[in-house]
Amino acid sequence: DADVTQTPRNRITKTGKRIMLECSQTKGHDRMYWYRQDPGLGLRLIYYSFDVKDINKGEISDGYSVSRQAQAKFSLSLESAIPNQTALYFCATSDLQSGRAGNTGELFFGEGSRLTVL
Amino acid sequence: RKEVEQDPGPFNVPEGATVAFNCTYSNSASQSFFWYRQDCRKEPKLLMSVYSSGNEDGRFTAQLNRASQYISLLIRDSKLSDSATYLCVVNGQSDMRFGAGTRLTVKP
Repeated sequence: DADVTQTPRNRITKTGKRIMLECSQTKGHDRMYWYRQDPGLGLRLIYYSFDVKDINKGEISDGYSVSRQAQAKFSLSLESAIPNQTALYFCATSDLQSGRAGNTGELFFGEGSRLTVL
Repeated sequence: RKEVEQDPGPFNVPEGATVAFNCTYSNSASQSFFWYRQDCRKEPKLLMSVYSSGNEDGRFTAQLNRASQYISLLIRDSKLSDSATYLCVVNGQSDMRFGAGTRLTVKP
């Protein structure tokens, strides 16, 4: 089983619909991230969270919201989807933790959720 | 200006060639640096971290120049299996920023 699991893997929806992408991890990491990937633009950070009570905006948070329900779960919502939110979305975790030695800062990604908004 | 910029590519090289990728970053407070590899329609995976002293892992060599805010990745003796997109990643004070990636195709 994957350490970072995203659902759904693929979703086609219509403009104006509410969409939730879910992410769960078994790595025990505190830090979780949501990125979107578009051709030619690489991965851009939407939101990130360092623990259950911590939520931070990334580069492109407009039109998105997140919820960190537990250490292992971090969900991304599009309240009213629009076509330019069509992209590949990745959830990731990191072992980087302040005051904790031996961490690499490596990001561990889920397999991605491909969202198409018509 | 993007925080992390990479060679636009694509790079098309024959097997056995040496290829170098460059990356610049704008945030001088950046603390750690990485190269990730992403295969088509797959998630990115860590290729190697980049240390101040430079580091090597088999055919791959990564270097960091903090003064110039520049990172490089050198691949020697390219294999067909090296075909992928290579992403430069920079960790600032709180988050990880990605370059747009450079596509490499190694041909027989």
